[in-house]
Amino acid sequence: DADVTQTPRNRITKTGKRIMLECSQTKGHDRMYWYRQDPGLGLRLIYYSFDVKDINKGEISDGYSVSRQAQAKFSLSLESAIPNQTALYFCATSDSGDSSSTDTQYFGPGTRLTVL
Amino acid sequence: AQSVTQLGSHVSVSEGALVLLRCNYSSSVPPYLFWYVQYPNQGLQLLLKYTSAATLVKGINGFEAEFKKSETSFHLTKPSAHMSDAAEYFCAVIPSGAGSYQLTFGKGTKLSVIP
Repeated sequence: DADVTQTPRNRITKTGKRIMLECSQTKGHDRMYWYRQDPGLGLRLIYYSFDVKDINKGEISDGYSVSRQAQAKFSLSLESAIPNQTALYFCATSDSGDSSSTDTQYFGPGTRLTVL
Repeated sequence: AQSVTQLGSHVSVSEGALVLLRCNYSSSVPPYLFWYVQYPNQGLQLLLKYTSAATLVKGINGFEAEFKKSETSFHLTKPSAHMSDAAEYFCAVIPSGAGSYQLTFGKGTKLSVIP
């Protein structure tokens, strides 16, 4: 079984709809992240969470919100979806106790979101 | 602020030829460096990472990368390309030091392998 799972894997929605993307991990990591990937732009950080009570905005948080329901679950919401939020969304996790002190991030398979 | 530049958004090599994917970083202090690979319709998989130990880092699938401080580079190489290496490759950096977490990605290089 995958260590980091994302649901749904694909979603098509309409402008103005509220959408939630979910991420679960079995790695026991305390840190979780949401990124979006756009062609030619690489990955950009939306939000990150270092533990259940610690949520922080990333580079491009406008139009998004998150919820850390438990150490293993981190969901991303689009309150009112717009077409330029069409992208591939990735969840990632890392362990603050990483023995190499590099906080290596491990990624889920991604959710492809299309907003019409 | 950290930044990463990957030279060439697309690279094509023949099967069996050398693979060289370029990555340069900008930072006054050498960061930690990573290469990730993304196969079609999949997530990102860690290939290798540099954490200020050995400057030549070996990763999975026969890839390796060399950290060169004087050139601020961390190029990815593989002696002989295989068809299964066709994917998109991302270089990424994290500032060195305890508690670092902000992973900054390059824009990616798509590798095509020609039979």
